[in-house]
Amino acid sequence: DAGVIQSPRHEVTEMGQEVTLRCKPISGHDYLFWYRQTMMRGLELLIYFNNNVPIDDSGMPEDRFSAKMPNASFSTLKIQPSEPRDSAVYFCASSLGGPEGNQPQHFGDGTRLSIL
Amino acid sequence: SQQGEEDPQALSIQEGENATMNCSYKTSINNLQWYRQNSGRGLVHLILIRSNEREKHSGRLRVTLDTSKKSSSLLITASRAADTASYFCATAKTSYDKVIFGPGTSLSVIP
Repeated sequence: DAGVIQSPRHEVTEMGQEVTLRCKPISGHDYLFWYRQTMMRGLELLIYFNNNVPIDDSGMPEDRFSAKMPNASFSTLKIQPSEPRDSAVYFCASSLGGPEGNQPQHFGDGTRLSIL
Repeated sequence: SQQGEEDPQALSIQEGENATMNCSYKTSINNLQWYRQNSGRGLVHLILIRSNEREKHSGRLRVTLDTSKKSSSLLITASRAADTASYFCATAKTSYDKVIFGPGTSLSVIP
């Protein structure tokens, strides 16, 4: 079984540029999560979807961040314009259960984003 | 806000030894999970333990939960170099709250 697939694995871009991160969840999983991991703040939940509908985006840091899930097999996280403080590893995860943790979350290998 | 916190922050042991790491949390919980993260990879779910459970096993892993002390421990027996990773506990206060991940314990197993 293919796990959660994220692309690109690495992204280096200049401040002010638009960045788009992509995720393909595990087929059949109803929930999709976007996380950000930094040394300072650890792993933070940015937004999650249930059946392609955004449910809670309270973790999205600013209006520069947006996420979409046009269908059950694809989601994007976009940063526009990007800033150096957005540099982090961004993870996508999918699950049969919601954010309360009653089902395991399956993580992709992340996108390491560097904004110069 | 951070709910669970792992201890120690870093642990270094010889291959074959047992590794124990702990997670303490501040309020009552609905469940607690342990995840592993190898360098450059995503998190991998290890074990979920619910608030009414005291102990669970999975292979060389043993997880205990003491709700009176608000703490959990993860024991890895007969450690291997491949166990080198960061280990995170994740807790949810209720069945309506989002899971929050702790800062993690970095485990190094020396061959």
